[in-house]
Amino acid sequence: SAVISQKPSRDICQRGTSLTIQCQVDSQVTMMFWYRQQPGQSLTLIATANQGSEATYESGFVIDKFPISRPNLTFSTLTVSNMSPEDSSIYLCSATRNTGAYDEQYFGPGTRLTVT
Amino acid sequence: QQQVKQSPQSLIVQKGGISIINCAYENTAFDYFPWYQQFPGKGPALLIAIRPDVSEKKEGRFTISFNKSAKQFSLHIMDSQPGDSATYFCAATHRGDMDSNYQLIWGAGTKLIIKP
Repeated sequence: SAVISQKPSRDICQRGTSLTIQCQVDSQVTMMFWYRQQPGQSLTLIATANQGSEATYESGFVIDKFPISRPNLTFSTLTVSNMSPEDSSIYLCSATRNTGAYDEQYFGPGTRLTVT
Repeated sequence: QQQVKQSPQSLIVQKGGISIINCAYENTAFDYFPWYQQFPGKGPALLIAIRPDVSEKKEGRFTISFNKSAKQFSLHIMDSQPGDSATYFCAATHRGDMDSNYQLIWGAGTKLIIKP
C-alpha cells in the first residue's frame, strides 16, 4: 500500500483568500489525483496531477481556480483560489501504485475546508 | 454509460448478520472493480478488488461476487460487526485505456450501520 499524508488536516478561511493543500506519498507512485467530497456524498475528481506538466482537469474545474503542482513523483499541491462558501468541502489526495495485478489507488486523510 | 449505480443508499444490519451492497455498471470495457471503506473524518481505504475473469474473491469476512453477464458486482460482509459501520463505495475503471488515466468511476456510497 501507499501512505499518504495531507496538510493541513482542516482549515477555516475567509472568502476571497486562497489555501494550498500539500500531499506527500511515502514512496514513488504512478498517478496522483485530487478529489472533492461533500460530507455524506461520493467523490468528485477535480484533476489528475501530472509530474512536470500541467494537470488534467475534469469538466467543471479550471486551472485558475484550482492550480495544481506535482514537482516530483511523491509530492503534489492543490490550491483553492479566491474561495467562496461553495468551496467548503473535503479535499482528498490520492495516488496509484502498480502491484502487478492492479493499479491500486490509495487516499490521504483529507483536508476539511470551511469558507466563511 | 460511465455510471456505476450503487444500492442501497443506507443499510442497517444486526451484529453477526450478512451485509450486502450491490453495484451495477453499463460500460463493458470496465476491468477492475474495487470496494472502498470510509470512516467519518477519514479518507477512503481500499478494502477488496476484483477483475472480471473471476466470479468471486474473498478476503476474511469480505467477499466480492461478480456477475459479468448481468454487469453487476456486490460486496458481502459476513458476521458483520459494529466496527464495520462505515460508508462503502464501489468503483470501476478500464485499466487498459491509457487515456482514462485509470480514473475510477464511483458509486454513490452506502452508509452501513451494524446494530449491536
